[in-house]
Amino acid sequence: AQKITQTQPGMFVQEKEAVTLDCTYDTSDQSYGLFWYKQPSSGEMIFLIYQGSYDEQNATEGRYSLNFQKARKSANLVISASQLGDSAMYFCAMRVESNYQLIWGAGTKLIIKP
Amino acid sequence: SAVISQKPSRDICQRGTSLTIQCQVDSQVTMMFWYRQQPGQSLTLIATANQGSEATYESGFVIDKFPISRPNLTFSTLTVSNMSPEDSSIYLCSVSNARDEQYFGPGTRLTVT
Repeated sequence: AQKITQTQPGMFVQEKEAVTLDCTYDTSDQSYGLFWYKQPSSGEMIFLIYQGSYDEQNATEGRYSLNFQKARKSANLVISASQLGDSAMYFCAMRVESNYQLIWGAGTKLIIKP
Repeated sequence: SAVISQKPSRDICQRGTSLTIQCQVDSQVTMMFWYRQQPGQSLTLIATANQGSEATYESGFVIDKFPISRPNLTFSTLTVSNMSPEDSSIYLCSVSNARDEQYFGPGTRLTVT
């Protein structure tokens, strides 16, 4: 069965600290992609970063990086130098080659403290 | 990245009425997806809309309740029919690009009273 697990329902982090949001996945497919999205209170779903299963290097996009550990089936999101505007829900998702549908984790609510 | 717009951004509707949500993309895409996010939940795929063919609905969603149109490669509509309070959700359209990155519109926040 394909599944995404986010074990942190909520996190409080001090502004300017780095944040790691956990995500583990389960699939028997060899080809898959992993996504992270940010959803502020406005409700929009903002694409942050993508990692393909065959990508040899960890994906990075500005302050976001994806710590991809294939053997452990983990795809943690790292946010460097957190800002107050990073407060939001964060969702990890997966799409496997055999199915176009995104499989979603339950999300982590991140609150950045000033 | 794709730029996606949705209309309306939010609405409050009465039970038994219908609402049509529009999704416009700034580039041609083959597949468009419609998702629902109920309060406090993650996203659930309603259906996939390909231009020129009937939408493909996921388990638990039917065409009579959620009719979808896809008249061209940049536009789609989702109608929520005969609404009940349980339909109160955020509805999002989504597209994938050639790099397999998937983008979402800003969402339509629907409240049914």
